Amino acid sequence: QKEVEQDPGPLSVPEGAIVSLNCTYSNSAFQYFMWYRQYSRKGPELLMYTYSSGNKEDGRFTAQVDKSSKYISLFIRDSQPSDSATYLCALGLTGGGNKLTFGTGTQLKVEL
Amino acid sequence: GAVVSQHPSWVICKSGTSVKIECRSLDFQATTMFWYRQFPKQSLMLMATSNEGSKATYEQGVEKDKFLINHASLTLSTLTVTSAHPEDSSFYICSARPGRSRETQYFGPGTRLLVL
Repeated sequence: QKEVEQDPGPLSVPEGAIVSLNCTYSNSAFQYFMWYRQYSRKGPELLMYTYSSGNKEDGRFTAQVDKSSKYISLFIRDSQPSDSATYLCALGLTGGGNKLTFGTGTQLKVEL
Repeated sequence: GAVVSQHPSWVICKSGTSVKIECRSLDFQATTMFWYRQFPKQSLMLMATSNEGSKATYEQGVEKDKFLINHASLTLSTLTVTSAHPEDSSFYICSARPGRSRETQYFGPGTRLLVL
């Protein structure tokens, strides 16, 4: 079993839809949670990061963490074609070099 | 802020040659830099962690003599792929962590390596 599971997609939605992207994890020791967006042939761009269970909102993006269920989500409201990219969840442990463990990424396509 | 650059953005080389990739944090000092490798439609695989002024820590299965990492300053880390072979062809991405942050990593744009 992988430490972090993420549906690779592709996920195709119409413009304006609400998108839900999810990751599950097995190691309850993960302490902080991030979402990155990666456009084709580019490096990942940090979108959101959070440390605790609950919701964190930033513009059209909401990150949700449920530590009891070991489940994290990223919601995108009013999705735009420019949101078309691969979204990677990343989980980290404090200490031990603060390395991140990435999901495989979900490919999202927002269509006109 | 928090811009990381990589150079070159892509490189094609002959088998057996060595290739150096630079990673620079442009507007912050990075005590730690990370080197990742990414295959098509796969996630990032951490290769090594580089701390300024000390030896890099390599992940299991990564050959330290093949992938030489130097972190000579707080804004520059280099990855040298020695005696490159076609199976080394990949997308190499670095990230840098600001000294003020314990967790956040900012990524470079990546370097695409093709070994013929």
